[in-house]
Amino acid sequence: GAVVSQHPSRVICKSGTSVKIECRSLDFQATTMFWYRQFPKQSLMLMATSNEGSKATYEQGVEKDKFLINHASLTLSTLTVTSAHPEDSSFYICSASMSESNQPQHFGDGTRLSIL
Amino acid sequence: QKEVEQDPGPLSVPEGAIVSLNCTYSNSAFQYFMWYRQYSRKGPELLMYTYSSGNKEDGRFTAQVDKSSKYISLFIRDSQPSDSATYLCASNSGGYNKLIFGAGTRLAVHP
Repeated sequence: GAVVSQHPSRVICKSGTSVKIECRSLDFQATTMFWYRQFPKQSLMLMATSNEGSKATYEQGVEKDKFLINHASLTLSTLTVTSAHPEDSSFYICSASMSESNQPQHFGDGTRLSIL
Repeated sequence: QKEVEQDPGPLSVPEGAIVSLNCTYSNSAFQYFMWYRQYSRKGPELLMYTYSSGNKEDGRFTAQVDKSSKYISLFIRDSQPSDSATYLCASNSGGYNKLIFGAGTRLAVHP
């Protein structure tokens, strides 16, 4: 149980392109989903917290207009990197937490984004 | 000072060894503690989670929390090459949401 699917796993695109990443909880309802960014050999940095049906809460220093997050249902959240540039190249990982309180986060397998 | 400190390693051990992975945290309000395992180019996989102090055992893994010293440990018994990965500790105060992660310790178990 507690499977989180993230798609796509790998994206290579040109500078200026917008990229959408999907995060789905396959066998549970996720009230809250999280988006992280991870640079090589570094830990996860929380970008934003997304609650179903409401606006995402962004961490300090994360541009809301750059990283658009939508959490339209209890099983799906999307992250759109708008007008991506090479400095946006990174490993993006989502996680989801079950609707019940005090349940740990379960992670997707990440999306490796490379902007040329 | 980071809220969760973890030695990045790498830690190299022979197969069958007992591995001890450790973290310290600074926020005394932290009550929830987790260990995740992350293989290269994959997302973190939940190994253990605990609330408050004490020990929790699951197969070859034991998680230990000492709130008096703000110290978190993960022990792996009979380590296997397949245990080679990065191990991340995480904590927070308000339930399991909004985790603060350590830097991760890279573990290599060699045959």
